[in-house]
Amino acid sequence: QKEVEQDPGPLSVPEGAIVSLNCTYSNSAFQYFMWYRQYSRKGPELLMYTYSSGNKEDGRFTAQVDKSSKYISLFIRDSQPSDSATYLCATLRGSEKLVFGKGTKLTVNP
Amino acid sequence: DVKVTQSSRYLVKRTGEKVFLECVQDMDHENMFWYRQDPGLGLRLIYFSYDVKMKEKGDIPEGYSVSREKKERFSLILESASTNQTSMYLCASSPPSQFTGFATNEKLFFGSGTQLSVL
Repeated sequence: QKEVEQDPGPLSVPEGAIVSLNCTYSNSAFQYFMWYRQYSRKGPELLMYTYSSGNKEDGRFTAQVDKSSKYISLFIRDSQPSDSATYLCATLRGSEKLVFGKGTKLTVNP
Repeated sequence: DVKVTQSSRYLVKRTGEKVFLECVQDMDHENMFWYRQDPGLGLRLIYFSYDVKMKEKGDIPEGYSVSREKKERFSLILESASTNQTSMYLCASSPPSQFTGFATNEKLFFGSGTQLSVL
């Protein structure tokens, strides 16, 4: 079983829509979770990170972790064309290594 | 502004060549990493380094080596390039973790990548 599973999409939504991006993970010991955003022909950049369960909000973005179901989500409200990118979930394996999902490609259409 | 610079954006090499990919960061970060990114496989860790002259294997180190002679510079070496090493290579750096205090990498700063084609 993969450590982190992510639906690659692609996902296409109209501007202003609420976007839900999701990942599952296999190891209940994972506690730190991150979302990276990668624009075309660029390296990923950290968008949000959370520890353990619960929600974290930053502007139009909300990261959610449900440890009981080993499910992590990123919600984007009022999506904009500039949000078009590939979104990668990640978790910290042990104290050293980030393990990434394969990424979901999102297109927000004007 | 934080900056991780990779020496080449595109690189074409022949099978069997020795290939050097260079990465420089200007943030005085202790930790540096090399990943490769392939469609359908995502990002995979090749090697990382916590300090000058230190290196640790990642998940897919076979066919690669690294060098870190200076804190700001981390080089990835393909000893004898093969076609299955055609990929996007991403370098990253990070400060020590704010969560654990250990050298780790929840906040990675990535370069723009080097697209390597091995023919």
